[in-house]
Amino acid sequence: GAVVSQHPSWVICKSGTSVKIECRSLDFQATTMFWYRQFPKQSLMLMATSNEGSKATYEQGVEKDKFLINHASLTLSTLTVTSAHPEDSSFYICSASNPGQGSTDTQYFGPGTRLTVL
Amino acid sequence: SQQGEEDPQALSIQEGENATMNCSYKTSINNLQWYRQNSGRGLVHLILIRSNEREKHSGRLRVTLDTSKKSSSLLITASRAADTASYFCATDGNQGGKLIFGQGTELSVKP
Repeated sequence: GAVVSQHPSWVICKSGTSVKIECRSLDFQATTMFWYRQFPKQSLMLMATSNEGSKATYEQGVEKDKFLINHASLTLSTLTVTSAHPEDSSFYICSASNPGQGSTDTQYFGPGTRLTVL
Repeated sequence: SQQGEEDPQALSIQEGENATMNCSYKTSINNLQWYRQNSGRGLVHLILIRSNEREKHSGRLRVTLDTSKKSSSLLITASRAADTASYFCATDGNQGGKLIFGQGTELSVKP
């Protein structure tokens, strides 16, 4: 149990276009999901906290108008990179906690989405 | 912001040897977690240790936590080539589940 999926697994787009990445909890309901970005050979940087039915909370330095987050249901959060530029190329990873397991401590991570902006 | 620092940044050992990775953090925590990441893949949760625990075991993994020094260590015993991956510590500071990741240790286990 506690599986998180992401779609697509990789995407290549032209500069100036928008890209949507989906994060789904497959077998549990996640009231909170998190979005991270990881550049090559670096660690994960938390971008934002996505709460079902409310606005996302962004970390300092993350442009909320550029990285649109929508958590429309208890099993789905989406991250849209608007007007993507080559510097947005990165590995985007989502995670969700599983309150149904009796603990909110453990987060389950999706497999990640590799975005390449040409 | 990243608060965790890990050392070494890279570690190369022979199969069968033990691997020790260290993590330091700056603020108070609810728990500390260790994750593994194979190249280009997602994260796999290895072990969680709470702030009131000092040591925890899971298979070949042993984690220690010293809250007075704000540090943790991950020991992998009898390493295997399949253990080759990056290992990250992450702290939960009781801020709604937010995790702050360390810089990671890249472990290479040579057969």
